[in-house]
Amino acid sequence: RKEVEQDPGPFNVPEGATVAFNCTYSNSASQSFFWYRQDCRKEPKLLMSVYSSGNEDGRFTAQLNRASQYISLLIRDSKLSDSATYLCVVNEAAGNKLTFGGGTRVLVKP
Amino acid sequence: DTGVSQNPRHKITKRGQNVTFRCDPISEHNRLYWYRQTLGQGPEFLTYFQNEAQLEKSRLLSDRFSAERPKGSFSTLEIQRTEQGDSAMYLCASSLARDSPLHFGNGTRLTVT
Repeated sequence: RKEVEQDPGPFNVPEGATVAFNCTYSNSASQSFFWYRQDCRKEPKLLMSVYSSGNEDGRFTAQLNRASQYISLLIRDSKLSDSATYLCVVNEAAGNKLTFGGGTRVLVKP
Repeated sequence: DTGVSQNPRHKITKRGQNVTFRCDPISEHNRLYWYRQTLGQGPEFLTYFQNEAQLEKSRLLSDRFSAERPKGSFSTLEIQRTEQGDSAMYLCASSLARDSPLHFGNGTRLTVT
């Protein structure tokens, strides 16, 4: 089993719709979680950190479910510019390695 | 802009040649990471430095790969005797603290012919 897993998609989303997807992690002791956005042939850029109580940043909402060991990202009122690959990142509790999932591709269409 | 800087942006080399990449992290960040990414995959961890100490290295990293961060500032990643399978985007990132997010450079895209 991979340490961090994501549905690769693509998620085809009509403009204005809501889309949500998860990321599962295998190490129950993981402590830090992030969502990154990556555009084609560009470097990953931080979208948001994920806090235990869940957090929201504009149209984006992140949740952490420790019992089931997954984090989620929800995008409301999708824009064409939201088309990208979304990467989840998990910090190993014991080490210093931040492990990425394979990414979920989102395509927002008019 | 005082973000993470990587050089070169692109490198084309012939199989068997050695290549070296450079990364300049954000100045106050003492943690520096190297990742490798191939098309359609997420970034794969290669190695991690805290100041000048290389504290973690992926088991996937063959002995042809070596990284240094001699004064705890910039870092270099060298690949010796390159192979076609080394073709990838090499990403450098830095962070301020253990639970802080990573800030990435633009990456170095390596093509081995």
